[in-house]
Amino acid sequence: AQSVTQLDSQVPVFEEAPVELRCNYSSSVSVYLFWYVQYPNQGLQLLLKYLSGSTLVESINGFEAEFNKSQTSFHLRKPSVHISDTAEYFCAVSPSGTSYGKLTFGQGTILTVHP
Amino acid sequence: EPEVTQTPSHQVTQMGQEVILRCVPISNHLYFYWYRQILGQKVEFLVSFYNNEISEKSEIFDDQFSVERPDGSNFTLKIRSTKLEDSAMYFCASSEEVQETQYFGPGTRLLVL
Repeated sequence: AQSVTQLDSQVPVFEEAPVELRCNYSSSVSVYLFWYVQYPNQGLQLLLKYLSGSTLVESINGFEAEFNKSQTSFHLRKPSVHISDTAEYFCAVSPSGTSYGKLTFGQGTILTVHP
Repeated sequence: EPEVTQTPSHQVTQMGQEVILRCVPISNHLYFYWYRQILGQKVEFLVSFYNNEISEKSEIFDDQFSVERPDGSNFTLKIRSTKLEDSAMYFCASSEEVQETQYFGPGTRLLVL
């Protein structure tokens, strides 16, 4: 079984400040890792994912996350946030291998960017 | 860009009634999923569906629940005899392959009174 912990339920920051949203996971098997974002009144959208290879993955809108196997973490970072980044962010894992893609989510972090 | 759609966006029902939540996955996708999020809690996996049968289901997905792909486009979640604790946001998702990105719909907010 897998579990995901997002350590911060809410993160308020000012525009152009850096931000880190923390995610730790627990699993007895190898996993794939994901960050999803949910804007108000919309569905979950994939922000970035780690399947294999380079442990640092990037999104098209400036977010990045680094897979740290020893610390079982997959923290999400952005060096300079915008008002439009205000949303709820979900970390998720999926067992690699023969699993049918079941995602296990963290409880979410609400990022609020203030002007 | 193709997207997953869900209907209705909101549904209110009386306890004990049956509800059917509908989803239209992205057309070339083969894997389908239902998740739910009770207010204030995590998004939880309910069931995955492939090749017209359930491939995996969670403990939540008991005999009260069923899924069906009645035609080539729709994917439905039926909840028989709804309970108060079934009140949640229900998300449908689909993916092209099993380990590919899951694309989520906007959700159906179900309120059981």
